[in-house]
Amino acid sequence: DGGITQSPKYLFRKEGQNVTLSCEQNLNHDAMYWYRQDPGQGLRLIYYSQIVNDFQKGDIAEGYSVSREKKESFPLTVTSAQKNPTAFYLCASSPTSGRITYEQYFGPGTRLTVT
Amino acid sequence: GENVEQHPSTLSVQEGDSAVIKCTYSDSASNYFPWYKQELGKGPQLIIDIRSNVGEKKDQRIAVTLNKTAKHFSLHITETQPEDSAVYFCAASWGNFNKFYFGSGTKLNVKP
Repeated sequence: DGGITQSPKYLFRKEGQNVTLSCEQNLNHDAMYWYRQDPGQGLRLIYYSQIVNDFQKGDIAEGYSVSREKKESFPLTVTSAQKNPTAFYLCASSPTSGRITYEQYFGPGTRLTVT
Repeated sequence: GENVEQHPSTLSVQEGDSAVIKCTYSDSASNYFPWYKQELGKGPQLIIDIRSNVGEKKDQRIAVTLNKTAKHFSLHITETQPEDSAVYFCAASWGNFNKFYFGSGTKLNVKP
């Protein structure tokens, strides 16, 4: 069964704690992405990775960190430096091929609540 | 960078009617325009996409039109059904590491 899995679906943390969100894909895609979604807003790019051991900051990277040690995995850590971490987090992946743009496939998301 | 604007933010139609959602983009280099449907508590799913070498694309009840000169593209849903109720997002991309720029979303409500 191919696709993108994110775990857990719901996550609760106390303020000041770091938390890591999991994202795994078995689609053999090179590129992976993390987005943040707030109520009534579009998706904002946090980080993206085009290849293993390489990643770039998106539009709202402050307070977040990522790693890409394996092609299948792209975990996101929400650090205590992120001022408003409560949000719905979406992971996506896509094939890459030079100048051709491909569809991004999304996981089911993780809803993080920090109190 | 690219800026994508989407209208309307909410849209309510009667079952069987048509629905139209519009997006504009700012970067003339954008050449790929996907539309995603997101149901409550789930990740977005692609419903249709169009590339800049095509003016219109249709898939059953769903169609997308693109006007490169005016830099806008639209999603058309005909014969709407209650299961079409969801949030719809447009996006634009120009192959820059496959970065997508999303609109703010349209909440479509189809009343039975």
